[in-house]
Amino acid sequence: DAEITQSPRHKITETGRQVTLACHQTWNHNNMFWYRQDLGHGLRLIHYSYGVQDTNKGEVSDGYSVSRSNTEDLPLTLESAASSQTSVYFCASSGGRERREQYFGPGTRLTVT
Amino acid sequence: AQKITQTQPGMFVQEKEAVTLDCTYDTSDPSYGLFWYKQPSSGEMIFLIYQGSYDQQNATEGRYSLNFQKARKSANLVISASQLGDSAMYFCAMREVMDTGRRALTFGSGTRLQVQP
Repeated sequence: DAEITQSPRHKITETGRQVTLACHQTWNHNNMFWYRQDLGHGLRLIHYSYGVQDTNKGEVSDGYSVSRSNTEDLPLTLESAASSQTSVYFCASSGGRERREQYFGPGTRLTVT
Repeated sequence: AQKITQTQPGMFVQEKEAVTLDCTYDTSDPSYGLFWYKQPSSGEMIFLIYQGSYDQQNATEGRYSLNFQKARKSANLVISASQLGDSAMYFCAMREVMDTGRRALTFGSGTRLQVQP
């Protein structure tokens, strides 16, 4: 069955370190998204991609970067982790169907100490 | 201004009763879509239902229906015959065109539903 996976599921890192969260989907979807979830804010869009070599900034992109070198993967990099980036991170993907609902990964809980 | 507003932080409902979760939205995109997602305590995001801005009929998926009132810019989720397993966080989301020209989702802050036996 097609799926979307995220790794690691839990990560503790120190302030100032570079961190990369992986997202891999086997749906063959063109569109991939990264969100962060914090209490009281729902999910907020960080970056998104509509295909290989295409990346776009979302609402809360400062301090994050992505690159899309193939269809299956969209890694999210925190260039210099800050305590404000402690959050749960969700990756999602969607295809070309009209409804285009997004399928979400299980999430990565990141703690920056 | 909030693009997606969910005014009910928490709701209680008795098992087997119906419940309505409110969602209002704001957009200038004529071709938008509205989604509801469920997030149980385990944390995964589960797609429930979708309504397109041009859809004439309200969407239904099993026990879920979307009360779409376009003029009022509301897209309320109705869950009929609530079950204990419906206890979860529910998010309303809107797909619209962004500054980049691409379409993406904006989420509301969510409503926590608790179903009581």
